Amino acid sequence: KAGVTQTPRYLIKTRGQQVTLSCSPISGHRSVSWYQQTPGQGLQFLFEYFSETQRNKGNFPGRFSGRQFSNSRSEMNVSTLELGDSALYLCASSPDGSNQPQHFGDGTRLSIL
Amino acid sequence: GESVGLHLPTLSVQEGDNSIINCAYSNSASDYFIWYKQESGKGPQFIIDIRSNMDKRQGQRVTVLLNKTVKHLSLQIAATQPGDSAVYFCAESPTGSARQLTFGSGTQLTVLP
Repeated sequence: KAGVTQTPRYLIKTRGQQVTLSCSPISGHRSVSWYQQTPGQGLQFLFEYFSETQRNKGNFPGRFSGRQFSNSRSEMNVSTLELGDSALYLCASSPDGSNQPQHFGDGTRLSIL
Repeated sequence: GESVGLHLPTLSVQEGDNSIINCAYSNSASDYFIWYKQESGKGPQFIIDIRSNMDKRQGQRVTVLLNKTVKHLSLQIAATQPGDSAVYFCAESPTGSARQLTFGSGTQLTVLP
């Protein structure tokens, strides 16, 4: 079974731009969560989607948003990029999220110039 | 806010020895805990999880111990191998579900030949 796939793997943007990252969960998984990983803050929860609905949200500004499609694929969008948004963005999926562990993709490395 | 933290940022062990990685958590309401391993350039890889109604769970070469009295979690790796070298994260779920995790800062495990 293929794992969680994130595209692109690397991205370079400039301040003020916006970016969209994509995540394809493991086949059959309906819950998708997003995390931001930085050296200073570590791994931080952004939000979680299930059946096209956002179920949980972390403590991030409204510039960070996401959505999930009917095939469970998910995208996250960051608008008005800031230097501090440079990070590894990780996507994780699980069958429904409640009682089974999440499985992570290898992330998208976003660099803001 | 409450967070999960790790006692030691780095740990070096001889190949073949057992490794113990410790983690302290502060949210007494958490009832789901999980360990991930992250190798350079990759996303976190699930190792083992445990719910608060258990105090020990074993996997292949790994054991997780949970001490709710002192809010302490540990990961034991038996017969540590070079391939075990990675950063290890513990995480807790303040909501009791596996899909919204609060991560610790990580421990770098280095296996010496």
